[in-house]
Amino acid sequence: EPEVTQTPSHQVTQMGQEVILRCVPISNHLYFYWYRQILGQKVEFLVSFYNNEISEKSEIFDDQFSVERPDGSNFTLKIRSTKLEDSAMYFCASDHGQGNEKLFFGSGTQLSVL
Amino acid sequence: SQQGEEDPQALSIQEGENATMNCSYKTSINNLQWYRQNSGRGLVHLILIRSNEREKHSGRLRVTLDTSKKSSSLLITASRAADTASYFCATDGNYGGATNKLIFGTGTLLAVQP
Repeated sequence: EPEVTQTPSHQVTQMGQEVILRCVPISNHLYFYWYRQILGQKVEFLVSFYNNEISEKSEIFDDQFSVERPDGSNFTLKIRSTKLEDSAMYFCASDHGQGNEKLFFGSGTQLSVL
Repeated sequence: SQQGEEDPQALSIQEGENATMNCSYKTSINNLQWYRQNSGRGLVHLILIRSNEREKHSGRLRVTLDTSKKSSSLLITASRAADTASYFCATDGNYGGATNKLIFGTGTLLAVQP
């Protein structure tokens, strides 16, 4: 089965630094997503992206966050100035955008902000 | 906003026994999905049930949906040690769009003892 791939698997950064999390969605998918899971908490929706623009975003996705599809295969999440509370597992996901279909998740990037 | 809640929070059973996990949600939905997460890993889609369906089977999995009670259950029959994982329900929130903006539940941690 096709897979969503994420790099790196672990990222350690200092508070205030910028980080970029990278994802390669499944090639024929049209919608891309970022979710996050703080340790011991629920998986939370951050943002969805379609046709080179954000289609929906949550309250968590403030001005410190941005997403980009820099080329035909990659999808990135940038956190401009990381805070301690940004420490979490970040999941990329994709689907065809047809509704009532499953979401394909990557294996995640564990971000630790020190 | 809707929230998914699973119960029990943790479940420990012996190999060969059946495991039942429940999920409740608060608002109308198009579909409800169940995902599995091994410790520290990504989310794997198990099954999707649409709002007009009452029961669905996939291998050893059986999912029911009661939209009048806003609840769902996941039954894993003849459990195996390899089924040990966290199980999450997720609802789509009936946004009417194509995006898989999922609201995840709190999860049930299943431990299957060999």
